[in-house]
Formats: sequence, C-alpha cells, structure tokens
Amino acid sequence: ETGVTQTPRHLVMGMTNKKSLKCEQHLGHNAMYWYKQSAKKPLELMFVYNFKEQTENNSVPSRFSPECPNSSHLFLHLHTLQPEDSALYLCASSPPGLAGEETQYFGPGTRLLVL
Amino acid sequence: EDQVTQSPEALRLQEGESSSLNCSYTVSGLRGLFWYRQDPGKGPEFLFTLYSAGEEKEKERLKATLTKKESFLHITAPKPEDSATYLCAVQAHAGNNRKLIWGLGTSLAVNP
Repeated sequence: ETGVTQTPRHLVMGMTNKKSLKCEQHLGHNAMYWYKQSAKKPLELMFVYNFKEQTENNSVPSRFSPECPNSSHLFLHLHTLQPEDSALYLCASSPPGLAGEETQYFGPGTRLLVL
Repeated sequence: EDQVTQSPEALRLQEGESSSLNCSYTVSGLRGLFWYRQDPGKGPEFLFTLYSAGEEKEKERLKATLTKKESFLHITAPKPEDSATYLCAVQAHAGNNRKLIWGLGTSLAVNP
C-alpha cells in the first residue's frame, strides 16, 4: 500500500449504530487530519493530530470521536449520528511543519450515509 | 476574515480549448497556496504549492501562477481526462499554520 488509505470506502448506518472509520498513511508523515466534505460547502476541517497529539478540534460534535494511536494510524469513531452527518469523510497527512513541506495528501475518502 | 473565492463555479470546454481558473484570496499573511484536483467520489489529489507572488509551476497541461491577491490555474489544450473539480486552498502565517482555508472549487468538463 502506498499513500493514504481509508476503510471502509462506503458505509451506511442507522442513527443508533456505532461504527469506526480507519485511515493509514504510508508516507512517513507526522500530522494527520479528518475532514468532512458536503455538497456546496468547502472542506471542513474536523480534527488535527501532530505526533499523536490532538492539536485542533474544530467545534466538532461529541458524536464524532477521533483516536490516533501512532503517527501512521487515525480513527474516527461514530455514534448516534444524524442524517445531516451524511458526507464524504476524508483523511489527510502532512510532513513536519517546515516551509515547503506542509502539503496535505488525501486518502480516497469514506462515503457515509446515515439513515 | 480569511477567505478563498474560486471562479467560475463551473466551466465547460471543448477539447483543445485553453482557459484559466481563478482563485482569489484574502489572508493575513500568505504562507502557501495549494491547488488540488478532485474526481467524483475520490479524495483531492495534490497538484501544486505556491509560496510567493510571481511564482509559477507547471505539470503537463497545467500551469499555476500567483499574485498578491489571486492565483490562476491555466489549462492548455485540455483533454477529456482533465475533467474534474479543481480546488484551491490557502494557508496563513498567523494562527494555526496547519489549517487550510478552502474554496468551493471549479467544476471543469472537457468535451471530446
């Protein structure tokens, strides 16, 4: 595997279910991100982890719970979601914050549908 | 307030018909401007990073340029496989340096 991978690629869940999204990066980066992408809206940053430490929580509801066990893996735990949470969830990673090396590289995304 | 505006919202070209996409930005000190390409149902694919006014970068039929208030993505003799949504994002010096401000994108369709 190369780059950033995400599983599952598609997920349908009811509002009472609990599920998890997984992201893995094979680029040797130290920072990882969760984004939400909805139609007609710009990408919304949800969480940022830098060297396994959460450095950004962009006012995300508690029904979304991130976990970063190491610099290569990132999870997003989902519970009691709402239909408006249906979207494409994207994971990204980036190298250390030095000028010229901060480009974010994205995974293919998980298309989530909440019924 | 930092913001990014992309125009046009949608663009339809004939194969071989060159054009430009615009990304206008207001940010308190530009650290970097990023262009990505996104195909339907997939994650954004990195194209270019620009750091200072006057900088230009090229990749195949694409050329990105940067001024102090906007960036252009020039597409020369496009092919149908260039059809995608092109996203622009900026990174500011102030505040959280890892947070990007994103535009809504330009949806490009190239007809054969």
